[in-house]
Amino acid sequence: GESVGLHLPTLSVQEGDNSIINCAYSNSASDYFIWYKQESGKGPQFIIDIRSNMDKRQGQRVTVLLNKTVKHLSLQIAATQPGDSAVYFCAENIDGANSKLTFGKGITLSVRP
Amino acid sequence: DARVTQTPRHKVTEMGQEVTMRCQPILGHNTVFWYRQTMMQGLELLAYFRNRAPLDDSGMPKDRFSAEMPDATLATLKIQPSEPRDSAVYFCASGLWAGRQETQYFGPGTRLLVL
Repeated sequence: GESVGLHLPTLSVQEGDNSIINCAYSNSASDYFIWYKQESGKGPQFIIDIRSNMDKRQGQRVTVLLNKTVKHLSLQIAATQPGDSAVYFCAENIDGANSKLTFGKGITLSVRP
Repeated sequence: DARVTQTPRHKVTEMGQEVTMRCQPILGHNTVFWYRQTMMQGLELLAYFRNRAPLDDSGMPKDRFSAEMPDATLATLKIQPSEPRDSAVYFCASGLWAGRQETQYFGPGTRLLVL
């Protein structure tokens, strides 16, 4: 995988390989983070979330890692499939007293057959 | 299968016309969000409600945009008058607030084109 920031680059991976999508979040006080997947013509779809009291959380084929020291969030997708092709957004909640999310610009994941 | 629904899915209108977008949140959710997505700005929060009360509309242009929740099953976003720069995809999302940040579930969006 490649390290990317909050602009909109494209990550190309071979089907079956693992994907790593990275995100540098903006506020050290953020305590809640979410990854969303958006397919063309559809709304963002929740993938996985993590709170700041955790470093790692696993779901089905996905793992989110949080490094608060360097304000870095990553999404790992195991055995990437063509259906994983989409734009992926990280989002952070800066103020725990409200529900406002700040979204990154997104990264396009392209899966090669 | 509980989902957020939005109508219309597509809207083409002329500058100056009123546009009304509707959202039905997931049954039982008490928080509703309105977002706008453009290529240049990405996803931006316009406003959100909890238990039908507006909590934050700081992201919404006040002179032409208005958001309401007539009841717990309907949220509306209106633009009057519409302008070409309002062309975007408008998403509604809902969540269940239980004392800390809730997961937001998005609808399919309304694709608005103002000519």
